[in-house]
Amino acid sequence: GAVVSQHPSRVICKSGTSVKIECRSLDFQATTMFWYRQFPKKSLMLMATSNEGSKATYEQGVEKDKFLINHASLTLSTLTVTSAHPEDSSFYICSASLGSSYNEQFFGPGTRLTVL
Amino acid sequence: DAKTTQPNSMESNEEEPVHLPCNHSTISGTDYIHWYRQLPSQGPEYVIHGLTSNVNNRMASLAIAEDRKSSTLILHRATLRDAAVYYCTPGIYNQGGKLIFGQGTELSVKP
Repeated sequence: GAVVSQHPSRVICKSGTSVKIECRSLDFQATTMFWYRQFPKKSLMLMATSNEGSKATYEQGVEKDKFLINHASLTLSTLTVTSAHPEDSSFYICSASLGSSYNEQFFGPGTRLTVL
Repeated sequence: DAKTTQPNSMESNEEEPVHLPCNHSTISGTDYIHWYRQLPSQGPEYVIHGLTSNVNNRMASLAIAEDRKSSTLILHRATLRDAAVYYCTPGIYNQGGKLIFGQGTELSVKP
């Protein structure tokens, strides 16, 4: 299957700082990328869908000013958690697809964010 | 959005077949049925997906009911490495194929 990477794999930051997470599709062009968060022992929760070159579509209840998503190229999407607080601590996972509604998604390895 | 129902957990013996069921009675006619699996602290791994016909690949088989209200993921010979949480999820066709994950089935494999 296709390879998706995330960087960093884990990050610890102080409350009030911003953190950027990168998601890259390494061997294919990803028209669409998705961002999820996952709490311990829970399922994945979709945060937003981003298409290259356009604004992200956020799921209900996800603050777009809090979680900034940029998808500037067909191989890179970024998620910036702004003014992070301890409740933002979570496992953030991205996925990428070729963009058609019938395509499978390929997931990154995830980023563990801890906000002190 | 379509919801899925799966057993919370299942057990299997190594080298025996495993049938993981999923109910998705509210799925729309154009949504694909996807299966992914996840190990702790890792991103999910794609397993298989299909629309109406049964599907086979090197990892598993997917049997889709004729009315599409349920499906079954079949692992033909379970190995210890197949122990994971398995998620069945519709790909919402009219929303770019986004996936809505339910709680999944935690599969344990006994040697």
